[in-house]
Amino acid sequence: DTEVTQTPKHLVMGMTNKKSLKCEQHMGHRAMYWYKQKAKKPPELMFVYSYEKLSINESVPSRFSPECPNSSLLNLHLHALQPEDSALYLCASSQEVSGGAIEQFFGPGTRLTVL
Amino acid sequence: ILNVEQSPQSLHVQEGDSTNFTCSFPSSNFYALHWYRWETAKSPEALFVMTLNGDEKKKGRISATLNTKEGYSYLYIKGSQPEDSATYLCALGNTGKLIFGQGTTLQVKP
Repeated sequence: DTEVTQTPKHLVMGMTNKKSLKCEQHMGHRAMYWYKQKAKKPPELMFVYSYEKLSINESVPSRFSPECPNSSLLNLHLHALQPEDSALYLCASSQEVSGGAIEQFFGPGTRLTVL
Repeated sequence: ILNVEQSPQSLHVQEGDSTNFTCSFPSSNFYALHWYRWETAKSPEALFVMTLNGDEKKKGRISATLNTKEGYSYLYIKGSQPEDSATYLCALGNTGKLIFGQGTTLQVKP
């Protein structure tokens, strides 16, 4: 199984809502990532988890809260988001975090709209 | 701040044409260069990971070259087919991060 799955595919939420994005992989990978892609822009890294510990936070606002409950699952908890947070959120995984030559496997993304 | 540039932004070709795109990046502190193919509503799919200057990689009709000294990589598609229509992203791999270019969107007309 070389697939990274993400749920939901689409999410519409209000600025006062709390919601979560989910990501799952069963490739035995020990590194997992969240990226954000706004329209007509490249994907940008938000968080990296290595062996279930947060290793990189790219100065992401605290209204985004990542969680890695086990090596196969990665969540992104959302609270008090702003309309400018509307974007495609991509999850990825790799065997581990090492240098820059490790292939990352991506999910199809969750399209988030904040009203 | 590492900046990865891709050109052209978009490309329209006829079926059977060969085409190529460019990815430019800073040549200092280079670790790896990744190429991804991303079809609409699907997951980005890894094509190549390249690390060595002068590296050439091939997968079917798609190939890529790497020049780390001058900071560029070329992606070539030979005999484009409609199913090659997608956005092609390059990304600099650096200490666990991927830093993406904006992509080249290819449309192949039958």
